[in-house]
Amino acid sequence: GAVVSQHPSWVICKSGTSVKIECRSLDFQATTMFWYRQFPKQSLMLMATSNEGSKATYEQGVEKDKFLINHASLTLSTLTVTSAHPEDSSFYICSGFLLASTNEQFFGPGTRLTVL
Amino acid sequence: KQEVTQIPAALSVPEGENLVLNCSFTDSAIYNLQWFRQDPGKGLTSLLLIQSSQREQTSGRLNASLDKSSGRSTLYIAASQPGDSATYLCAVRPDTGNQFYFGTGTSLTVIP
Repeated sequence: GAVVSQHPSWVICKSGTSVKIECRSLDFQATTMFWYRQFPKQSLMLMATSNEGSKATYEQGVEKDKFLINHASLTLSTLTVTSAHPEDSSFYICSGFLLASTNEQFFGPGTRLTVL
Repeated sequence: KQEVTQIPAALSVPEGENLVLNCSFTDSAIYNLQWFRQDPGKGLTSLLLIQSSQREQTSGRLNASLDKSSGRSTLYIAASQPGDSATYLCAVRPDTGNQFYFGTGTSLTVIP
């Protein structure tokens, strides 16, 4: 299957700082990428849909000014958590959408964010 | 909005047993359904993808079935092994849009 990478795999930051998470499709072009958040012992919740060359579409309840998404190329989407607070601590997972195949999503390994 | 539920939430079985994980969804207008495995602190590994026109998919010891009209899918694991211990998630993609809606997950423990 197609491969999606995320960087960093984990990050610890102080409250009030900003953190950038990268999501890359390594062997395919992803015009659409998705960002999910997963709290401990809970399922994945879709945060936003990232479209190459256009603005992201955010799910209800997700602050677009706090979670900045940029999809500047067909292989890279970034999620920046601005002015992070402890409640933003979570596991963030991205996925790339492979149109040419069976319309399957391929997920990155996730990024563990801890805000102190 | 699509709601996806998985039963049971947790399951513990002795090694060698066959088992079934259940997934139900409220809106039958789906494009496909995918089963994933997630190990603690890790990302998702795709197990099986079933298109809406299909009834089942098989990969090794895994078999997934889909009954779209009743809003149900099952994941059958044959001859379970300790290495199968993980959380299993099902996700449905609706007819419109490209996002997935995830189930609540089933945490499986296979006891040696």
